[in-house]
Amino acid sequence: EAQVTQNPRYLITVTGKKLTVTCSQNMNHEYMSWYRQDPGLGLRQIYYSMNVEVTDKGDVPEGYKVSRKEKRNFPLILESPSPNQTSLYFCASSLSGLGNNSPLHFGNGTRLTVT
Amino acid sequence: LAKTTQPISMDSYEGQEVNITCSHNNIATNDYITWYQQFPSQGPRFIIQGYKTKVTNEVASLFIPADRKSSTLSLPRVSLSDTAVYYCLVGDPYNQGGKLIFGQGTELSVKP
Repeated sequence: EAQVTQNPRYLITVTGKKLTVTCSQNMNHEYMSWYRQDPGLGLRQIYYSMNVEVTDKGDVPEGYKVSRKEKRNFPLILESPSPNQTSLYFCASSLSGLGNNSPLHFGNGTRLTVT
Repeated sequence: LAKTTQPISMDSYEGQEVNITCSHNNIATNDYITWYQQFPSQGPRFIIQGYKTKVTNEVASLFIPADRKSSTLSLPRVSLSDTAVYYCLVGDPYNQGGKLIFGQGTELSVKP
């Protein structure tokens, strides 16, 4: 089954303790991206990757890191989490191609709480 | 990047047709228009995508006028299970260097 898999689904951590949220897709998509969703603010893009070893900042990249060492995986790293990063996070992927009309496929989300 | 504007919320009753309009005045020539549905605590799910005129699939229709500055998602005969947030997204990552901007979405409430 074609899917985007995020882990964990729920995570509670303390301020300053490094964590990684994993994202994996099995559709051979080149494009992957991370979003956070907060009440009243909708979906905001954190980072994105156009291809392996190619990453760039979205609208809210502060406090986050990503890596794209292989096509299928795109982990989100919080080196020193803070309470304002408490949020619902989504990973998404889509097929490559200029002008290609491939839609985004989203994971089921990771609910992160930083105390 | 094309910015989208949608109504914040809409109410409907079971069995009615629901039309949600999205404005995107600065849509670019190569931009596609995509609609997503999101249930609480789940990722957005693709509903329908179009470039111009009308597109129909098994769950919805998408109407796009000739100037492409707006689009309308039409859900025929909604049921309680259609209660969700609907997002209109304009663009394609590969036409915009990777950045995508989601609007606030429209919260649809279907009542019995």
